[in-house]
Amino acid sequence: NAGVTQTPKFRVLKTGQSMTLLCAQDMNHEYMYWYRQDPGMGLRLIHYSVGEGTTAKGEVPDGYNVSRLKKQNFLLGLESAAPSQTSVYFCASSYSRAGGYEQYFGPGTRLTVT
Amino acid sequence: AQKITQTQPGMFVQEKEAVTLDCTYDTSDPSYGLFWYKQPSSGEMIFLIYQGSYDQQNATEGRYSLNFQKARKSANLVISASQLGDSAMYFCAMREPDTGGFKTIFGAGTRLFVKA
Repeated sequence: NAGVTQTPKFRVLKTGQSMTLLCAQDMNHEYMYWYRQDPGMGLRLIHYSVGEGTTAKGEVPDGYNVSRLKKQNFLLGLESAAPSQTSVYFCASSYSRAGGYEQYFGPGTRLTVT
Repeated sequence: AQKITQTQPGMFVQEKEAVTLDCTYDTSDPSYGLFWYKQPSSGEMIFLIYQGSYDQQNATEGRYSLNFQKARKSANLVISASQLGDSAMYFCAMREPDTGGFKTIFGAGTRLFVKA
């Protein structure tokens, strides 16, 4: 039982390049989330998904796209990376119950855009 | 407007003493959930405690308790008998209904330093 895994762990991009971050969970969770954490700050919600084939915008969705083609996977895409997107990206998953059920987090992906 | 406010960027506590980390929230929905997470220097996010908006009693989990004051919209975390391993960032978070389902928003965090 791996929990939540993220690929890759580290990445350096040049401005304008694109990339996709992969999140996978093996807990059969309905909800999945992508957050970014900038130095000394909390987590800001980028996008989330309440189930296969559905996505919704969070607090800071601009510059990112997501897809949830399979229940266990949630992909975060950067079409044209900018230095402002340098951050640590966390994926999380949870059950769908309205209350309770904490989020399980992946180990994070450290992205640097030069 | 900030949904989750943590007004203490940093806190110091003596080992074995209790400490309270403040959190206030803002929502107009009657159904919501409040969480506290710990992030050690290693970077992982660790769930500590949960309080539902309809829960009558304050949540407790071992040395952690949540002081839930609904009318004041506060959900402070109390850590009793602090240990050196409690030194970390602590985040308050709120899960509330959204057009796309339920979303969870985090506060900016409080860094706790436990002194020997």
